[in-house]
Amino acid sequence: AQKITQTQPGMFVQEKEAVTLDCTYDTSDPSYGLFWYKQPSSGEMIFLIYQGSYDQQNATEGRYSLNFQKARKSANLVISASQLGDSAMYFCAMRERTGGSYIPTFGRGTSLIVHP
Amino acid sequence: EAQVTQNPRYLITVTGKKLTVTCSQNMNHEYMSWYRQDPGLGLRQIYYSMNVEVTDKGDVPEGYKVSRKEKRNFPLILESPSPNQTSLYFCASSFGGRGQETQYFGPGTRLLVL
Repeated sequence: AQKITQTQPGMFVQEKEAVTLDCTYDTSDPSYGLFWYKQPSSGEMIFLIYQGSYDQQNATEGRYSLNFQKARKSANLVISASQLGDSAMYFCAMRERTGGSYIPTFGRGTSLIVHP
Repeated sequence: EAQVTQNPRYLITVTGKKLTVTCSQNMNHEYMSWYRQDPGLGLRQIYYSMNVEVTDKGDVPEGYKVSRKEKRNFPLILESPSPNQTSLYFCASSFGGRGQETQYFGPGTRLLVL
């Protein structure tokens, strides 16, 4: 079973609208971290936002917010007021304790296209 | 500027010719790791290092070696590259290796093995 599931291979959104990218995870570790990364066509991986499993409030970073629903094991990324430059691949990732180490796991990504 | 650097950024090689991809970070991070990214598969961890002289296998270590002789450097070695190692490779680092630690990525190395 996948530990990180991103069910939307591709999403389209109109410029200036909000968009939600879905991410569900599976872990039995009580202390884990959830991350979102953006990968534009140039290829680099850009860290966007982080949510810790014990954080009481949803994380926000500028136009990015993370809708963290712990009981449902979901960590959706919300991008408000989409811009053309938001067109990219988006990866959800989790770090959990496995054995003696914290192993990161990435989802397969969602391709977001923002059109004018 | 805090960053993770990788070299080379692009590499075309032939089967069996040993190669090394370098990775260096200037943030005094203890944890470093290597990933490969293939279409439709996301990122998969190859090897990681919790500190100097401490390395361990990730999900897909076959065909790769690493070393961590200095804190800032974590080279990835392909002793005998094969075409199935054609991929986009990322080095990443974080302050520690715990769950809440954010990883910062290098710019990536595109490798083509003929």
